[in-house]
Amino acid sequence: DIQLTQSPSSLSAFVGDRVTITCRASQGISRFLAWYQQRSGTAPKLLIYGASILHRGVPSRFSGSGSGTEFVLTIESLQPEDLGTYFCQHTNGFPYSFGRGTKLEIK
Amino acid sequence: QVQLQESGPGLVKPSETLSLTCSVSGASIVPYDWNWIRQSPGQGLEWIGHIHYSGTTDYNPALESRVTISADTSKSLLSLNLTSVSAADTATYFCARDGFAQTWNGNYYYIDVWGKGVTVIVSS
Repeated sequence: DIQLTQSPSSLSAFVGDRVTITCRASQGISRFLAWYQQRSGTAPKLLIYGASILHRGVPSRFSGSGSGTEFVLTIESLQPEDLGTYFCQHTNGFPYSFGRGTKLEIK
Repeated sequence: QVQLQESGPGLVKPSETLSLTCSVSGASIVPYDWNWIRQSPGQGLEWIGHIHYSGTTDYNPALESRVTISADTSKSLLSLNLTSVSAADTATYFCARDGFAQTWNGNYYYIDVWGKGVTVIVSS
């Protein structure tokens, strides 16, 4: 089974900052990786799939990159509404799995 | 607009069976694939299993011996049964839809629609 390791587990940044979150897969998964944002008390929301394809309606300050085993989610110019927890997920066959999450706080 | 609504008992006794349903509205179950995912308090997301619109299922190996996912396409209902529950099964349970995209550099699945989740506590 594929394990996903996210880093950091938490981070704090100022509005306007550039933020990066990394997700590493235990084996190559090509570009079969998605990113989600979860605000407190709500269901996760899809941000990016195919490692770098922005889901419709997601602000362009979000971007994804990577392939194989290393992936990065970048938020350019952090906004107050970006606080929450971010998860990566692989869809390179079953069983699916998620990273443990990165909790993002706004300073 | 597709909407998913989970329902079921909020409290289940240890060793009993947890049974949840997910009502799908705004779209047909066919030809989509569906997932159940859970989140323990303050923890990350755990994928429980998946059902293809044909009825084929795949499960998390850690739960496979206790879990059954089914679909009633005529009623637009998904179901999750988890047997022999313990306190470790206390969580918010989500049903969620697989989306699919054909792109220039590949075909990708992702989870694009989530229910709001239902919280289940396992306690005597």
